[in-house]
Amino acid sequence: GAGVSQTPSNKVTEKGKYVELRCDPISGHTALYWYRQSLGQGPEFLIYFQGTGAADDSGLPNDRFFAVRPEGSVSTLKIQRTERGDSAVYLCASSPQRTGELFFGEGSRLTVL
Amino acid sequence: QQPVQSPQAVILREGEDAVINCSSSKALYSVHWYRQKHGEAPVFLMILLKGGEQKGHDKISASFNEKKQQSSLYLTASQLSYSGTYFCGTNYGQNFVFGPGTRLSVLP
Repeated sequence: GAGVSQTPSNKVTEKGKYVELRCDPISGHTALYWYRQSLGQGPEFLIYFQGTGAADDSGLPNDRFFAVRPEGSVSTLKIQRTERGDSAVYLCASSPQRTGELFFGEGSRLTVL
Repeated sequence: QQPVQSPQAVILREGEDAVINCSSSKALYSVHWYRQKHGEAPVFLMILLKGGEQKGHDKISASFNEKKQQSSLYLTASQLSYSGTYFCGTNYGQNFVFGPGTRLSVLP
């Protein structure tokens, strides 16, 4: 079966622009996580969805970051007024349950010039 | 806040053993272990759900000491394919957080 799919795989944008990153989880997985990973660092938690609702968004760094999962499947991470410090690989992971194994997508590499 | 891992990095020769430790200042109810190769996504290795649990497959195993709030990953007779960065992870409340990682390099 299909794994977690993330698009785009690479995104280069200019400072101040708006960016959307998409995650298509494994079918039937109710838990969905977004992480940000910088070079040489571990994945940094951003937000966790259980179904359609954001159960924990405490990792979002500021109000420029927002994520949705309107139908409990596909999720979109939205970044407004991008800054150079937002450059990183954004990873999405899904799981059949909150305490289960996480299945990761290949990530979206964001570069803000 | 995140779990703490040690060592930060380790270099081995093929066939040697390694231990990677993960500890937490908060109570641990479960521990996951993942491996990430350069340029790839993290891949699940195993999950330990109960204190005292030990698991393993191939020559990679792990233990979980709930009372001490720590877990250890054991790599026995390491192979070149074991190279990568190893992360422990756990649920802190609703979210799932990872440790900073241990970079393992296995040399021929």
